[in-house]
Amino acid sequence: GENVEQHPSTLSVQEGDSAVIKCTYSDSASNYFPWYKQELGKRPQLIIDIRSNVGEKKDQRIAVTLNKTAKHFSLHITETQPEDSAVYFCAAWQGGKLIFGQGTELSVKP
Amino acid sequence: NAGVTQTPKFQVLKTGQSMTLQCAQDMNHNSMYWYRQDPGMGLRLIYYSASEGTTDKGEVPNGYNVSRLNKREFSLRLESAAPSQTSVYFCASSANRDNEQFFGPGTRLTVL
Repeated sequence: GENVEQHPSTLSVQEGDSAVIKCTYSDSASNYFPWYKQELGKRPQLIIDIRSNVGEKKDQRIAVTLNKTAKHFSLHITETQPEDSAVYFCAAWQGGKLIFGQGTELSVKP
Repeated sequence: NAGVTQTPKFQVLKTGQSMTLQCAQDMNHNSMYWYRQDPGMGLRLIYYSASEGTTDKGEVPNGYNVSRLNKREFSLRLESAAPSQTSVYFCASSANRDNEQFFGPGTRLTVL
């Protein structure tokens, strides 16, 4: 079935360290993989996305990598800052729908 | 541009009551979506409308109905609310199906 697994569910890092969140998907035909950030009490907002014809994409301190063979993709945040603290969701376009992972609560300690 | 708007922001219902959640977007997007968000379960798709005049079931459609009133508006109806429908509901829209989705501010619904 359509499934996106996300790990870890919680992640705590020191300010300035890197954070990595990993997701796996089930449908080999998936072609679009966005990442959303949701601050407490607010709506999810897109931070970066990648399509299946690209292996890596960067935007300042954020990068996403995609391994189509293994059906997994990852979010990398470098030089973390306290304002990066939030819940992050991966998603994969599968079966004509966007399927979300369960979320990772990232805490950046000053 | 207001983006995606939702009403109401908060609602408390008794079991068995009905209500409609309203959603509108002013970005001329073709596709619209309704999600529910529960702790530890991410965002789950209830229904979606790929284009005006069409609607399809998502992952968790039971107990809900939708109407794509026009290109701008997409409503979600609970005919007979149950405590299991206590959740935060988000509406979203995108230009086309596998494009960035823009979310509304959410509706926090409690069913007693």
